[in-house]
Amino acid sequence: NAGVTQTPKFQVLKTGQSMTLQCAQDMNHNSMYWYRQDPGMGLRLIYYSASEGTTDKGEVPNGYNVSRLNKREFSLRLESAAPSQTSVYFCASSDLRSGMIYRHFGDGTRLSIL
Amino acid sequence: DQQVKQNSPSLSVQEGRISILNCDYTNSMFDYFLWYKKYPAEGPTFLISISSIKDKNEDGRFTVFLNKSAKHLSLHIVPSQPGDSAVYFCAALMGGKSTFGDGTTLTVKP
Repeated sequence: NAGVTQTPKFQVLKTGQSMTLQCAQDMNHNSMYWYRQDPGMGLRLIYYSASEGTTDKGEVPNGYNVSRLNKREFSLRLESAAPSQTSVYFCASSDLRSGMIYRHFGDGTRLSIL
Repeated sequence: DQQVKQNSPSLSVQEGRISILNCDYTNSMFDYFLWYKKYPAEGPTFLISISSIKDKNEDGRFTVFLNKSAKHLSLHIVPSQPGDSAVYFCAALMGGKSTFGDGTTLTVKP
């Protein structure tokens, strides 16, 4: 999945700890997204940023905050991690060209909260 | 209330044949639809998208069909290859928000 880089790839946290997941894209896309995927389910949108300087809530925003640092970077923060936030987190970026949407994902961050 | 549904959890086809993956949606306001495939331990890979104003889009072996009256979307893969074995997700977009189906596992047998 060239173009969208997520760090870290794996992380184990204790309940109540905080951490920030980093995401960067080098495709000059305007829009960026954070999703989570739980076993047997599709991706659910946590937050998105339609353009630099804007962020909006998705389907499951509770317990998360985001920051669109610049056009390239979009970070996701867990202020006080809970076991229910154990999941695989995917960042994506998107562009509209010639009337078609192109959306690319990173390889994911596997987060376990004990 | 699940707005995007992939009713078949799995599909098995023979190499060289056509694979048809289906997706139904309920909200007529969706303006774009996308298909992804996902291998274990990797991020989703974008395959193809279609605008709600079109009824067909092709890219190589992949063709997406949109039937707005039936609120139905399908992905055709021709010919199917063993490397196509993966989980396939459809997604519907409205404004900046996206809704994903739960996925269909495609197995292509040699």
